[in-house]
Amino acid sequence: EAEVAQSPRYKITEKSQAVAFWCDPISGHATLYWYRQILGQGPELLVQFQDESVVDDSQLPKDRFSAERLKGVDSTLKIQPAELGDSAMYLCASSLRFMNTEAFFGQGTRLTVV
Amino acid sequence: DAKTTQPTSMDCAEGRAANLPCNHSTISGNEYVYWYRQIHSQGPQYIIHGLKNNETNEMASLIITEDRKSSTLILPHATLRDTAVYYCIARANTPLVFGKGTRLSVIA
Repeated sequence: EAEVAQSPRYKITEKSQAVAFWCDPISGHATLYWYRQILGQGPELLVQFQDESVVDDSQLPKDRFSAERLKGVDSTLKIQPAELGDSAMYLCASSLRFMNTEAFFGQGTRLTVV
Repeated sequence: DAKTTQPTSMDCAEGRAANLPCNHSTISGNEYVYWYRQIHSQGPQYIIHGLKNNETNEMASLIITEDRKSSTLILPHATLRDTAVYYCIARANTPLVFGKGTRLSVIA
């Protein structure tokens, strides 16, 4: 069964360092999402891609976060510099298309900033 | 997207049916009802979705009322592995917006 792959699974980084997460969506899925989930809360959307284009990044803290999907396949989410409040689970999801289709999530990257 | 309301938590005996309610009284005609669940420390898992007809798959059944203002997710024979947070989301052409969900505890 096809899955969304994310790496690393866990990451510990020091405050003010740079950190990056990688996501490989299900093959053929045009839409890719990055979500952030703080402990005890539901996931919150950070950014949405349609192929290589950003569709919605209104909730992405652009002073420190960046996301790219250069060839419209895999994607990278970067934080620079990391802050203590960035400690969370970062989830990637993909769907075949945007409208009226289910999205499938990866296992996430658990980030701890110390 | 329509706001959904779910109970904070529920318990279910192992082997019994788990019926998880969701209220979406302001749902619009083009919004689907999606259900996801999240087992501890894992990514959300898609369960099922529907527009107005009842739906069934290998995981669960989704019952949507005729006026579409509420729905129920049914896990026919709950097991300990079904212990998770269950999210009900009403969505049209927008990304999934997660609330706090229902924490289902299946008890042996």
